Amino acid sequence: GAGVSQSPRYKVAKRGQDVALRCDPISGHVSLFWYQQALGQGPEFLTYFQNEAQLDKSGLPSDRFFAERPEGSVSTLKIQRTQQEDSAVYLCASSPEDSGGAARKFFGPGTRLTVL
Amino acid sequence: GQQLNQSPQSMFIQEGEDVSMNCTSSSIFNTWLWYKQDPGEGPVLLIALYKAGELTSNGRLTAQFGITRKDSFLNISASIPSDVGIYFCAGRLGSWGKLQFGAGTQVVVTP
Repeated sequence: GAGVSQSPRYKVAKRGQDVALRCDPISGHVSLFWYQQALGQGPEFLTYFQNEAQLDKSGLPSDRFFAERPEGSVSTLKIQRTQQEDSAVYLCASSPEDSGGAARKFFGPGTRLTVL
Repeated sequence: GQQLNQSPQSMFIQEGEDVSMNCTSSSIFNTWLWYKQDPGEGPVLLIALYKAGELTSNGRLTAQFGITRKDSFLNISASIPSDVGIYFCAGRLGSWGKLQFGAGTQVVVTP
């Protein structure tokens, strides 16, 4: 398909395990965002990439969270030593624009992470 | 930090009725956007607003960017069953397109 895809769609982890969540943005999109959505809440910003450069990581909750986009396309969000409070839906979004224009973005379906 | 309040939290309406929801912020946003999210899916952009006072329509949807730049509303006219879902407002922060979202308005449409 032509949209943003994410894998896996569902992930169950035991507390303390490391997880890696993948995002395939729309081909050619410059901007890529990660958001975290807790149950019953709106998405919250985690980090932003413009091509391969991570320009903003101010939303990452702790140093257990790490994101990369090494070739400016696919991105991976890694969470080390998962905790129960990390349980949420992790949304990836991409935009063909940079700067403020990247406010218009296309979201993937998300990965639902459950930490037991 | 900035607070973005969305209301109502939920609404139950009959098919054919109009729906209105709004968002207010403690600070100014440069862009307001409205998204709809269905269960198990990511948010889908409905309308984007870029100027204070701007009124924009998309089919049965109408949204306005408040004059003070601290608020926005979304109206849905003549609701139909597929309007069911959670509607989020979002304001753009800073230069990179980072968005702050409201908590959402859940809309339930009954026949």
